[in-house]
Amino acid sequence: KAGVTQTPRYLIKTRGQQVTLSCSPISGHRSVSWYQQTPGQGLQFLFEYFSETQRNKGNFPGRFSGRQFSNSRSEMNVSTLELGDSALYLCASSLGHRDTTYEQYFGPGTRLTVT
Amino acid sequence: QQQVKQSPQSLIVQKGGIPIINCAYENTAFDYFPWYQQFPGKGPALLIAIRPDVSEKKEGRFTISFNKSAKQFSLHIMDSQPGDSATYFCAASKKSSGDKLTFGTGTRLAVRP
Repeated sequence: KAGVTQTPRYLIKTRGQQVTLSCSPISGHRSVSWYQQTPGQGLQFLFEYFSETQRNKGNFPGRFSGRQFSNSRSEMNVSTLELGDSALYLCASSLGHRDTTYEQYFGPGTRLTVT
Repeated sequence: QQQVKQSPQSLIVQKGGIPIINCAYENTAFDYFPWYQQFPGKGPALLIAIRPDVSEKKEGRFTISFNKSAKQFSLHIMDSQPGDSATYFCAASKKSSGDKLTFGTGTRLAVRP
């Protein structure tokens, strides 16, 4: 079974631009979560989608948004990029059911550099 | 507010040694505690996870010890190998927050040959 895939793997953008990152979960997984990883702040939760609905949201500004499609694939968008948005953006998927384990599997990430 | 505290920040052991990484949590609502291993340039990989109703769980060379009363849990790596050199993260989640994982700050482990 294929793992979580993320595209693109690397991205360089300029301040003020916007960016869209894509995530394809493991087949059969219905929950997709996004995390930001930086050396200073570590791994921080952005948001979670389940059945095309945002189920949970972290403490990030409204410039960060996401969506999930009917095939469980997800995208996240960052508008008006700032230098501080430079980070590794990770996507994780899980079955998402309440009464089973919460095993989440991460993709390789998208390395975003804002100049 | 850091809800999961991880220590040490870095750790060096000799091959065959048993590195121990510790985590402490504050929120008693947490009910799932996974450990992840991350190599440079890769995403975190799930190693092993435990729930509060179990005090210890072993998978291969990796063991989690869980102390519910102390709100602490730890990862032990038996017979460590140079290939175990990576950054290890503990995490915690609770049912009411869906799949949201709260991560520790990470421990960079180096296993010397």
